[in-house]
Amino acid sequence: EIVLTQSPRTLSLSPGESATLSCRASQSLGSTYLAWYQQTPGQAPRLLISGISNRATGIPDRFSGSGSGTELTLTISRLEPEDFVVYYCQQYGVPPFTFGGGTRVEMK
Amino acid sequence: EVQLLESGGGLVQPGGSLRLSCAASGFTFSNYPMTWVRQAPGKGLEWVSAISSSGDSTYYADSVKGRFTISRDKSEKTLYLQMNNLRAEDTAVYYCAKNLLRTWGSYEYWGQGTLVTVSS
Repeated sequence: EIVLTQSPRTLSLSPGESATLSCRASQSLGSTYLAWYQQTPGQAPRLLISGISNRATGIPDRFSGSGSGTELTLTISRLEPEDFVVYYCQQYGVPPFTFGGGTRVEMK
Repeated sequence: EVQLLESGGGLVQPGGSLRLSCAASGFTFSNYPMTWVRQAPGKGLEWVSAISSSGDSTYYADSVKGRFTISRDKSEKTLYLQMNNLRAEDTAVYYCAKNLLRTWGSYEYWGQGTLVTVSS
């Protein structure tokens, strides 16, 4: 199975700053089969990005995805108060379709 | 409006069984693969199982293979997860999710989740 390692586990930033979240795959994804999700406490995850860089419906353009092969990145520019939650990457190229361990973005 | 409503969670003893259901509405159920994802208390997301739109293909996480069975009923527009030989480590909120596209992919819509607690 493909193991996804997210780093850092916790990111401490201030509103208005930019966040860079990393997702490393144990083997090349081969194509663009990677997604990013946001999860607020007590709620179901929300799809942010699919196909490495395609924003889902209604997702603001301060969220962007990039990368290829085994190194993927989620960038959140101009952090808003509601962005200080947990983010997960997921690969859906090779079953089982695994998730990363998550990165928590906390307010400094 | 797409809606996914899970049910069937509860308290069960180790070794017991439960069947989760996910009632779908607001989209053509038979056109989309469906997935179960779980989250243990205070932990991250864990992908559990997925089924193709036709039901012909199914995949499982190693942690549940041989114990869980995913299925779907086109006429009832319902997704199921039969869970047997449950263990304490299966304790989690179980979410059903709808694929964004008509093939394997990311999950555009999620249910609110149903809690499964495995304890004696």
